[in-house]
Amino acid sequence: EIVMTQSPATLSVSPGERATLSCRASQSVGSNLAWYQQKPGQAPRLLILGASTRATGIPVRFSGSGSGTAFTLTINSLQSEDFAVYYCQQYDSWPPGTFGPGTKVDIK
Amino acid sequence: QVLLVQSGAEVKRPGASVTVSCKASGNTLRDYYMHWLRQAPGQGLEWMGWINPKSGGTIYSQKFEGRVTVTRDTSIRTVYMELSGLKPDDTAVYYCARGAMIRGVTWFDPWGQGTLVTVSS
Repeated sequence: EIVMTQSPATLSVSPGERATLSCRASQSVGSNLAWYQQKPGQAPRLLILGASTRATGIPVRFSGSGSGTAFTLTINSLQSEDFAVYYCQQYDSWPPGTFGPGTKVDIK
Repeated sequence: QVLLVQSGAEVKRPGASVTVSCKASGNTLRDYYMHWLRQAPGQGLEWMGWINPKSGGTIYSQKFEGRVTVTRDTSIRTVYMELSGLKPDDTAVYYCARGAMIRGVTWFDPWGQGTLVTVSS
């Protein structure tokens, strides 16, 4: 079973700055990786699928890259509404919902 | 835009069962895999099971096998998740989420708003 890890656990960033989040898979998942944003009291929201394709309605300041075992989510010019927890999820192989533990992006 | 609307919060005693419903807009249930996931307080996301849009067949996480049952009523566009033998560590927010049309292992979009299930004596 594939294990997903994320780093750092917490990232402190000032508004307007760039945030770079990492996600690693214990074995290759190709480009079958998604990123989600979750705010307190809300359900997760899909940001990125296929490692680099923005989901419908997602602002261009969110971008994803990587393939195989190493992936990055970059948030350019952080807005106040971007402070949240971000999860990566592989969907290359069983089981369906294999998520990383999350990275919390908070205000510096 | 697809909307998934879940039933309200529940408080249950240990050993009881709970059923959470998820009503979908459009032909979602007939066309897409529907999944159930949960998130314990302050914890990450955990997949529980899915229902196949064409066959109505189900697949469950080994962790919940024997305790979870996912069903649907396509006439009212609603999918259900029943969890039995509740324990205090089943306290969590339970989410339904839409998957893909032809493949069970996929991303999830959109998600229901979540249903808090509290298990306490």
